[in-house]
Amino acid sequence: AQSVTQLGSHVSVSEGALVLLRCNYSSSVPPYLFWYVQYPNQGLQLLLKYTSAATLVKGINGFEAEFKKSETSFHLTKPSAHMSDAAEYFCAVSLRSASKIIFGSGTRLSIRP
Amino acid sequence: KAGVTQTPRYLIKTRGQQVTLSCSPISGHRSVSWYQQTPGQGLQFLFEYFSETQRNKGNFPGRFSGRQFSNSRSEMNVSTLELGDSALYLCASSQALQETQYFGPGTRLLVL
Repeated sequence: AQSVTQLGSHVSVSEGALVLLRCNYSSSVPPYLFWYVQYPNQGLQLLLKYTSAATLVKGINGFEAEFKKSETSFHLTKPSAHMSDAAEYFCAVSLRSASKIIFGSGTRLSIRP
Repeated sequence: KAGVTQTPRYLIKTRGQQVTLSCSPISGHRSVSWYQQTPGQGLQFLFEYFSETQRNKGNFPGRFSGRQFSNSRSEMNVSTLELGDSALYLCASSQALQETQYFGPGTRLLVL
């Protein structure tokens, strides 16, 4: 079975600082991995997706994530935080043979001026 | 291209009633999935439809059902509503099974 663990339900950084949101996954077979962002009162927006091509995946809004099989991690980073990045971020996993997405519990990102 | 649309956006019902939510996928997308989001349980998969057939189902009681029409639009129905059904219900569409899913804004259901 697949699962996702997001470390830290709330992360706060200063504007301009590095953003690092942590995600570890568990899967018996090579998975697809995702990061989604949810702004208040909105649905989910796909930030990026790992499908076994390059291990460093670049997404929208300056975010990127690195797939590390040895650490079973898929951490999300952004070099310089912007106030508009404040939102909830979800790491997710799915099997390559199925569409069902398993989501982590989410990390709320706050940006301090 | 228009995104995934869900109607209604907000809904208030009372216990014991039933509710039907609608989802229109992105044009050309044939797969529709439904998810429930609650503060306690997070995001949970309900079911997925492709070509008018349910292809996958999550661990929800039989009160939760869905269907897909020939134009790929989908509806989900919840019968005999319970307080715990209060949630944001998200619909996602993809071009085909196992393709990237794009989410709609959700329908927020409040059960009183």
